[in-house]
Amino acid sequence: DQQVKQNSPSLSVQEGRISILNCDYTNSMFDYFLWYKKYPAEGPTFLISISSIKDKNEDGRFTVFLNKSAKHLSLHIVPSQPGDSAVYFCAASATGNQFYFGTGTSLTVIP
Amino acid sequence: NAGVTQTPKFRVLKTGQSMTLLCAQDMNHEYMYWYRQDPGMGLRLIHYSVGEGTTAKGEVPDGYNVSRLKKQNFLLGLESAAPSQTSVYFCASTKGAWRNNEQFFGPGTRLTVL
Repeated sequence: DQQVKQNSPSLSVQEGRISILNCDYTNSMFDYFLWYKKYPAEGPTFLISISSIKDKNEDGRFTVFLNKSAKHLSLHIVPSQPGDSAVYFCAASATGNQFYFGTGTSLTVIP
Repeated sequence: NAGVTQTPKFRVLKTGQSMTLLCAQDMNHEYMYWYRQDPGMGLRLIHYSVGEGTTAKGEVPDGYNVSRLKKQNFLLGLESAAPSQTSVYFCASTKGAWRNNEQFFGPGTRLTVL
């Protein structure tokens, strides 16, 4: 049973525009969330995190928003660049426990 | 600094064969993990280790064994491979406990069991 869901398998965005990747979770005990980026033939690399005590965390062009009541988080990339084309995974954990990963969203940024 | 490396990168096995996947990290990390990634599913934790000589079960441990004899190495074994174990396997490591510590991933091993 998938506790972390990314319902959009793919997303295409024009260069310079905003990319919004969404993630939903079912376990109300989750209180720490991560986004990873993965290029083909490589392992995932950490992008940005957020704790449940916050509703927003920003790092350069990347911002993660957390809506605890809706059990929803999103990753915004502004402006999108062709090098951002990759698969993005969200992951969530409850205190002291493992991370559960979503199925990933493949982002294509069109030049 | 090689980070996290995995050996081999690809492997094809017949049902019932055995093999060992090797993960090595040169960052002196305490924690190491093995995940599998299947189409339509997120990465799922197989086993993990919180230090040399320790191992623990993750979400999907059945059919796998692990060993952490040296701090820098984490081995994943398949004693009798089954087609259901066809997957991409990722190893990862963290400096400390998984929360608040970035997981560094290896490039993956693509395993096909016929």
